[in-house]
Amino acid sequence: GDSVTQMEGPVTLSEEAFLTINCTYTATGYPSLFWYVQYPGEGLQLLLKATKADDKGSNKGFEATYRKETTSFHLEKGSVQVSDSAVYFCALSVANTGNQFYFGTGTSLTVIP
Amino acid sequence: GAVVSQHPSWVICKSGTSVKIECRSLDFQATTMFWYRQFPKQSLMLMATSNEGSKATYEQGVEKDKFLINHASLTLSTLTVTSAHPEDSSFYICSAPQTGRASGYTFGSGTRLTVV
Repeated sequence: GDSVTQMEGPVTLSEEAFLTINCTYTATGYPSLFWYVQYPGEGLQLLLKATKADDKGSNKGFEATYRKETTSFHLEKGSVQVSDSAVYFCALSVANTGNQFYFGTGTSLTVIP
Repeated sequence: GAVVSQHPSWVICKSGTSVKIECRSLDFQATTMFWYRQFPKQSLMLMATSNEGSKATYEQGVEKDKFLINHASLTLSTLTVTSAHPEDSSFYICSAPQTGRASGYTFGSGTRLTVV
């Protein structure tokens, strides 16, 4: 079945450090891939997405590239800020499952000054 | 932008009681609402899909008599955990599609339920 495997946290980084959160997936169809972010006390928000192989999603300095050959969608940011502290969820959605989302377990990121 | 308001944010209840969680779409009509739950260190898992004016569709393994879902209007969907037990303690979150595209989903802020 469809699933997402996400790097476990928590992750603690110093400000301006490089961030990578690994995400790999298994899908029976052709999935769209997403990264969602949940800031403390708020709902999940779409951070970025990619809908086909080799697409790169980017937003707020975060990037992730849809790699079909490695079934991966790793999240990266070159220089994290304290305001990036949040929980990050990798997810996939396949159209033929009624757009149901499959989420990773979430990775908690804390950025310290 | 589109907002889904979810209440309560957290609730503690005694075993055997029922808890209602509400999700309201504030500035759009949500004909469909997805309900997820997350156990500690596990993924968000889809529990059920509610559609306004019809019965909810439950995922395999989810007890429909225990998790009552009502989609009374185009702006309100509720999840009631009946006769709650400690194993029902979890994080529950709702989500509504906006335009039907895969990326057009808005999530509530989630409800942390603790049953003691």
